[in-house]
Amino acid sequence: GAVVSQHPSRVICKSGTSVKIECRSLDFQATTMFWYRQFPKKSLMLMATSNEGSKATYEQGVEKDKFLINHASLTLSTLTVTSAHPEDSSFYICSAQTLQGTEAFFGQGTRLTVV
Amino acid sequence: GQNIDQPTEMTATEGAIVQINCTYQTSGFNGLFWYQQHAGEAPTFLSYNVLDGLEEKGRFSSFLSRSKGYSYLLLKELQMKDSASYLCAVVDSNYQLIWGAGTKLIIKP
Repeated sequence: GAVVSQHPSRVICKSGTSVKIECRSLDFQATTMFWYRQFPKKSLMLMATSNEGSKATYEQGVEKDKFLINHASLTLSTLTVTSAHPEDSSFYICSAQTLQGTEAFFGQGTRLTVV
Repeated sequence: GQNIDQPTEMTATEGAIVQINCTYQTSGFNGLFWYQQHAGEAPTFLSYNVLDGLEEKGRFSSFLSRSKGYSYLLLKELQMKDSASYLCAVVDSNYQLIWGAGTKLIIKP
């Protein structure tokens, strides 16, 4: 099956610093990638939809200046959490959708801890 | 509004069969996914249905009725490792994934 690689899997950072998370589709092209956030024992919450070569579409309540998304190529999207605070600590997951839109594959997830 | 409903939690016995239901009301329909998620891990793709009927993949089967806005995931010959959350997600008219809250499946020996 298709593989989506998300890096890093775990990161601990200090409050006020920025963290970049990468999401790569390794063996297929993805014009659309999704970024999710998951709190413990909760369902996935869509943060934004990232389209290659254009600005990301953010869900209501998600600060676009805090969660910077860049989708520079058909195989790479990045999420940068700027000026991180402890409340940003969470599990962040990306998924990449095939060009046909028939399947979406998830990265391994990134557990972010802000101290 | 858009809504996906699935039971919060289910319990079943090892070796048995369990059916997890999902009902949806969305703006348009372009397919339905089932994912399995173990605690602390990203979801794993199980199935995709876009046409009515039953799709079988080994111990797992998924059924869709578009007219009823209904799907189920059927797990046979349950194993302890099947203990996980099962997420139903619908692709709407804008090709966005609308997620259910997930069903936590507990398998008992």
